[in-house]
Amino acid sequence: KAGVTQTPRYLIKTRGQQVTLSCSPISGHRSVSWYQQTPGQGLQFLFEYFSETQRNKGNFPGRFSGRQFSNSRSEMNVSTLELGDSALYLCASSSSPTRRVSDTQYFGPGTRLTVL
Amino acid sequence: GESVGLHLPTLSVQEGDNSIINCAYSNSASDYFIWYKQESGKGPQFIIDIRSNMDKRQGQRVTVLLNKTVKHLSLQIAATQPGDSAVYFCAENIVSDSWGKLQFGAGTQVVVTP
Repeated sequence: KAGVTQTPRYLIKTRGQQVTLSCSPISGHRSVSWYQQTPGQGLQFLFEYFSETQRNKGNFPGRFSGRQFSNSRSEMNVSTLELGDSALYLCASSSSPTRRVSDTQYFGPGTRLTVL
Repeated sequence: GESVGLHLPTLSVQEGDNSIINCAYSNSASDYFIWYKQESGKGPQFIIDIRSNMDKRQGQRVTVLLNKTVKHLSLQIAATQPGDSAVYFCAENIVSDSWGKLQFGAGTQVVVTP
């Protein structure tokens, strides 16, 4: 099976712009989670989508949003970019058959976003 | 307040020796734990997991130990190789409302020396 893919791999934007990142999960996986990774804060959970519905959300401002399509592909959007949004954005997918217990998440290579 | 950059603890291991990476988790109700390995420029890679009804699980060259009494998790790597050099993260499943989500530790940098 192909792994989780993320596009683009690298992105440079300026403050105030918006950006959309894309994630294609492993075939058959219906859950997609997004994380932000920075040297200062480590790996932080953004949100999770399952069957096109957001079912969990981390502590990020409303500028960060996402969606999931019927084929389980997911996008995340960051509006009004700030310098502090520079980070590696990681997407992870899982089959997640149960409600309460997270299934193993498999990560993509990430999108490196630089905000100038 | 001022944000403080994470200072990753570093474990320096000689090639061929065994490595032990430790992790303290936060929530006594966490019921699932995973270890990930992240090499430079790559996303985290699944190594091994353990459910809270177990205290030990073994994989290929790796063993995870879970001590729920003190909320401690460890990863043991046997016969450490240069390819094991990476940052290792533990993650715990935090149940929020009716859905679980993974919370990651800060990570440990493992450096394998010849």
